[in-house]
Amino acid sequence: GAVVSQHPSWVICKSGTSVKIECRSLDFQATTMFWYRQFPKQSLMLMATSNEGSKATYEQGVEKDKFLINHASLTLSTLTVTSAHPEDSSFYICSAENRGDYGYTFGSGTRLTVV
Amino acid sequence: GQQLNQSPQSMFIQEGEDVSMNCTSSSIFNTWLWYKQDPGEGPVLLIALYKAGELTSNGRLTAQFGITRKDSFLNISASIPSDVGIYFCAGSGTGNQFYFGTGTSLTVIP
Repeated sequence: GAVVSQHPSWVICKSGTSVKIECRSLDFQATTMFWYRQFPKQSLMLMATSNEGSKATYEQGVEKDKFLINHASLTLSTLTVTSAHPEDSSFYICSAENRGDYGYTFGSGTRLTVV
Repeated sequence: GQQLNQSPQSMFIQEGEDVSMNCTSSSIFNTWLWYKQDPGEGPVLLIALYKAGELTSNGRLTAQFGITRKDSFLNISASIPSDVGIYFCAGSGTGNQFYFGTGTSLTVIP
């Protein structure tokens, strides 16, 4: 079946530094990937739509200069949290659109802690 | 972004009981998905629904796409301990973005 690999699964960084999270579709090509953010015991909030070869589309209220998204190939999208602060600590999850199965497969998530 | 209203927020049931939860939206959706999420993991797709009125089963799980296209329902029959987790609905309209419900936390008491 369709597999999406997300890396790292857990990262701790110092306030003011940047962190890059990778999302890879392992056995299918994904022209579109999505990035979500989830706070403890809350739902997934869509942050942005990542489009291969073009700029990401951000949801209202999401700072595009803080959350940089790059979708340089059909199997890889990256989310970079720039100048991270403690309030950016959260669970970040990506999903990829699998057109073959018309499904949306999720990665296993990245827990970011900013200290 | 949009967020869908999901109820109930949490459920505590005895093993063997049936479970029902629903999701409503202020917008019309073309696709409804139901996911289960275990702690620290990404959501796993349970059932996908593509047209109004559609009723689809996956083992003990049954989901329906409401005829108004603004709601969806998930039922779990004869619950077992491994059904424990958080269940999310997700809906998509004319675009390909999916928006998630607020989640239903299910606890099954053996």
